[in-house]
Amino acid sequence: EVQLVESGGGLVQPGGSLRLSCAASGFTFDDYAMHWVRQAPGKGLEWVSGISWNSGSMGFADSVKGRFTISRDNAKNSLHLQMDSLRAEDTALYYCAKDGVYGSGSQGYYFDYWGQGTLITVSS
Amino acid sequence: EIVLTQSPGTLSLSPGERATLSCRASQSVSSRYLAWYQQKPGQAPRLLIYGASSRATGIPDRFSGSGSETDFTLTISRLEPEDFAVYYCQQYGGSPQTFGQGTKVEIK
Repeated sequence: EVQLVESGGGLVQPGGSLRLSCAASGFTFDDYAMHWVRQAPGKGLEWVSGISWNSGSMGFADSVKGRFTISRDNAKNSLHLQMDSLRAEDTALYYCAKDGVYGSGSQGYYFDYWGQGTLITVSS
Repeated sequence: EIVLTQSPGTLSLSPGERATLSCRASQSVSSRYLAWYQQKPGQAPRLLIYGASSRATGIPDRFSGSGSETDFTLTISRLEPEDFAVYYCQQYGGSPQTFGQGTKVEIK
């Protein structure tokens, strides 16, 4: 059974930093690109960032480019999102999502499995 | 960036009725790279359809997807009580991939 479990969320002041993690199990982690997708309270879905299966390529939404960094550790089946210079508009539930296509790049395709999300609140 | 516009915003129907949800793209979506997701309150999204018309693993055949280029449709042939939720379309043919704003299917 595929499982994705996010952690690292919390309350942070504007300008602060947080590091999110996603622990993956139930599939061959290093065969698939992985992504972060966020959902602001009461709003729709926004792709944030993706990383290819071998970390060879990474992609970011314009809204987070230059502030967020994505990484993965295939030996530990884990995905990370380093979030710096946080803004109020980054407040959202952040989901870790598995790409649905074997060997995909950072832009990715569709998402066939999602975690339950970790909440980030940026507020003073 | 490809903008996806979903309509209607809310669909009020009764169990057993047919639901037809629309997703229109601001430009052609290459290779029919269009997916549909269902999201219930307090839950993560669930993949229903990819490639415009392929059902994901375990998805009942009352869910079907169709369309191409700029016009896509998700059809639920007969609504079950568990189908009342919010539905999102996503295009992954253009960079960045983008989502529609969602259609809520509510009980009439």
